[in-house]
Amino acid sequence: AQSVAQPEDQVNVAEGNPLTVKCTYSVSGNPYLFWYVQYPNRGLQFLLKYITGDNLVKGSYGFEAEFNKSQTSFHLKKPSALVSDSALYFCAVRDDTGGFKTIFGAGTRLFVKA
Amino acid sequence: EPEVTQTPSHQVTQMGQEVILRCVPISNHLYFYWYRQILGQKVEFLVSFYNNEISEKSEIFDDQFSVERPDGSNFTLKIRSTKLEDSAMYFCASKAGTSESYEQYFGPGTRLTVT
Repeated sequence: AQSVAQPEDQVNVAEGNPLTVKCTYSVSGNPYLFWYVQYPNRGLQFLLKYITGDNLVKGSYGFEAEFNKSQTSFHLKKPSALVSDSALYFCAVRDDTGGFKTIFGAGTRLFVKA
Repeated sequence: EPEVTQTPSHQVTQMGQEVILRCVPISNHLYFYWYRQILGQKVEFLVSFYNNEISEKSEIFDDQFSVERPDGSNFTLKIRSTKLEDSAMYFCASKAGTSESYEQYFGPGTRLTVT
């Protein structure tokens, strides 16, 4: 069965510092991995995805994520955090066994202090 | 940029009543989904829909739930007899094609409050 773990409920970082939001996954087949961001009272916005190819994936708003197959991880990173990055971040996974559903992690709330 | 839209943004209903949540997916998309997010909790998959039929559903999606694409543009989620625990944010999503290179685009959500 597919599952996603985001071990941190909350991440605090100072503006200008690098940020990392952690995600690990479990799937039966090959993983398709996604990060979404949710601002208050808004829907989910797509940030980036890993399907195949380079392990380092670059996405919207300066975010990137590194796929690590041996550690089954897909951590979200940004070299220099902005206050406006403060939001709820969800990691999600599908696999290539033919299923249609995407499984989401519980979410990690990112606070960036000025 | 095309986007998924959902109406209403907030629906309040009494327990036992039927509700219909509406979504207009992006026009050339082929796959449609409903997810829900109970306040403060994770986003949960409910159902996927392709080629005018349900392609996959979760254990949450019981007989009280149904989906329909009545007119080629709208995609609806019906809850026949709402329960208090159905209170949640419901998100519609659509995807352009089969390839995994396509990501799902989410609507802004409908907040359902069952009293």
